Amino acid sequence: EDKVVQSPLSLVVHEGDTVTLNCSYEVTNFRSLLWYKQEKKAPTFLFMLTSSGIEKKSGRLSSILDKKELSSILNITATQTGDSAIYLCAVVRHFTGNQFYFGTGTSLTVIP
Amino acid sequence: GAVVSQHPSRVICKSGTSVKIECRSLDFQATTMFWYRQFPKQSLMLMATSNEGSKATYEQGVEKDKFLINHASLTLSTLTVTSAHPEDSSFYICSARLWGNTEAFFGQGTRLTVV
Repeated sequence: EDKVVQSPLSLVVHEGDTVTLNCSYEVTNFRSLLWYKQEKKAPTFLFMLTSSGIEKKSGRLSSILDKKELSSILNITATQTGDSAIYLCAVVRHFTGNQFYFGTGTSLTVIP
Repeated sequence: GAVVSQHPSRVICKSGTSVKIECRSLDFQATTMFWYRQFPKQSLMLMATSNEGSKATYEQGVEKDKFLINHASLTLSTLTVTSAHPEDSSFYICSARLWGNTEAFFGQGTRLTVV
């Protein structure tokens, strides 16, 4: 059975800390992995990862995919209270109409 | 990025009534739209995939007669929750995808409360 698991489920840190969120997957016909940030409503796109070992970076956020380990990490450095959100990873498979299979999510709370 | 509009953002209805939620792609044609359900502090659960002009594909455990999906045009998909019950109360969110593009764009979601 396909599954996408994120860890930790929740995390509370202080402003300025660095956090690493994990996403591991067991899916057939893997195509790509995406990271989203969800605050109160719709998830907003962060990264799409297709190739292993290539880091994608946007400001204080970065992410990398390890196809050998079937996992990805999302790093946030110098966290701010505005980073508080649920972080979702989603895996897209070939041959399934490109459906998204979301992970369990990590709830991040950044305390001032 | 592309814009997906979902309406209404919030709805309260009585048990036994039906509620229709619309999902529109505003500046692109979406051949495929996805409908998700999200419980508090949980991830998005894929309910169904709808392709324009054909029947929706439902995920296991999702009642197709309960959650009617219509994708009548390349810019509009609707989800109708029929004979709603309090356990149907949830956050429903749609996403749309451009043909050949992996990235999906999300609507703002609909908070459904059945009383």
